[in-house]
Amino acid sequence: EVQLLDSGGGLVQPGGSLRLSCAASGFPFGNYAMSWVRQPPGKGLELVSTISGSGDSTYYADSVKGRFTISRDNSKSALFLQMNNLRAEDTALYYCAKDRPAFSDSWGQGTLVTVSS
Amino acid sequence: DIQMTQSPSSLSASVGDRVTITCRASQGINYSLAWYQQKPGEPPKLLLYAASILESGVPSRFSGSGSGTDYTLTISSLQPEDFATYYCQQYYGTPAATFGQGTKLEIK
Repeated sequence: EVQLLDSGGGLVQPGGSLRLSCAASGFPFGNYAMSWVRQPPGKGLELVSTISGSGDSTYYADSVKGRFTISRDNSKSALFLQMNNLRAEDTALYYCAKDRPAFSDSWGQGTLVTVSS
Repeated sequence: DIQMTQSPSSLSASVGDRVTITCRASQGINYSLAWYQQKPGEPPKLLLYAASILESGVPSRFSGSGSGTDYTLTISSLQPEDFATYYCQQYYGTPAATFGQGTKLEIK
């Protein structure tokens, strides 16, 4: 059974940083692209970033380009999102998701990021 | 990026009703469309992909159709557990996959 456990969210001031993590199990992690998708409170879904199975190819939404960095450690079946220079509009529930390969077939429960002073 | 417009944004229906939700892309997406269901407090759940292929374990009352820029999700006979928010997602523009704004399906 595929399991994705998101963590690392919290309250941070504008301009601050957070690092999200996603622990994966139940599938050959290195064979699959992975994504981070966010959902502001009461709003819709936005693809934030995607990384290929090998980690050598990445994508970022324009809204986070230059501020967020996606990475993975295939030896530990772990996905990360380093978020710097956070803004109020980054406040959202962040989901890690397993891609197949261009849509997401499994999702974590999400980790809440709140950017506020 | 390809823009996705869902309609309606909300919908009231009764158990047993047939319901259709539409998604229109700003350009042709060659059947590269997924549908998700999201219930409050839960992550999205994949229902269909490639516009019409049912994900394993999803009830057959869910179906998808369409081509070019216009796609539909149909629920043939609403069940109580189907009241949720539904999202379409195009992945033709991969890696820049984009979601529709969602359709909230409520009990009448």
